[in-house]
Amino acid sequence: KQEVTQIPAALSVPEGENLVLNCSFTDSAIYNLQWFRQDPGKGLTSLLLIQSSQREQTSGRLNASLDKSSGRSTLYIAASQPGDSATYLCAVRPRGYYGNNRLAFGKGNQVVVIP
Amino acid sequence: DTEVTQTPKHLVMGMTNKKSLKCEQHMGHRAMYWYKQKAKKPPELMFVYSYEKLSINESVPSRFSPECPNSSLLNLHLHALQPEDSALYLCASSQDGDPGGYTFGSGTRLTVV
Repeated sequence: KQEVTQIPAALSVPEGENLVLNCSFTDSAIYNLQWFRQDPGKGLTSLLLIQSSQREQTSGRLNASLDKSSGRSTLYIAASQPGDSATYLCAVRPRGYYGNNRLAFGKGNQVVVIP
Repeated sequence: DTEVTQTPKHLVMGMTNKKSLKCEQHMGHRAMYWYKQKAKKPPELMFVYSYEKLSINESVPSRFSPECPNSSLLNLHLHALQPEDSALYLCASSQDGDPGGYTFGSGTRLTVV
């Protein structure tokens, strides 16, 4: 069964610093990895989707890398802003009949950006 | 349209009530999902519909009854819920069998009193 770990569970950074969020997974047999943002009491907003054949994806201040062989992904947020305060969830879509429609989530990185 | 729309956004119901949650998408996605999320936890999968057929039921109690009337709509019928069922209920969709990403709705905040 795929296990996804996110560290640190919570972090606070001063505004303007770069954020680095880590995600690791135990089984490299994946279709893709997706980073989501969740504000308190709200739904999940997709930030970046990285297919298993890709090494990274970028969108504005966000960059996510994927190293499938070592089971790691990193989300970088450049020049953090208070509006970046949220919980960030990493989710892996496993390959195979059992896992294809069972996203495996990490527990999230809760981020606070201090003005 | 790249959204998943959930209604209502908030719902308070008594333990003897019957209510329904609704979810709609027009992205042509053929897989639709119900998730339950408790505070400070990741979403937990409840049900998966693939091509309008129930393909996964994660041993969810029968007081939750899913329904997929057509490829764009997903309902979750609620009956005789318990206070511990209070949670954020999320609907999601994706292409089935295609390694695409998931799109989530904004959720229904359910409180059972």
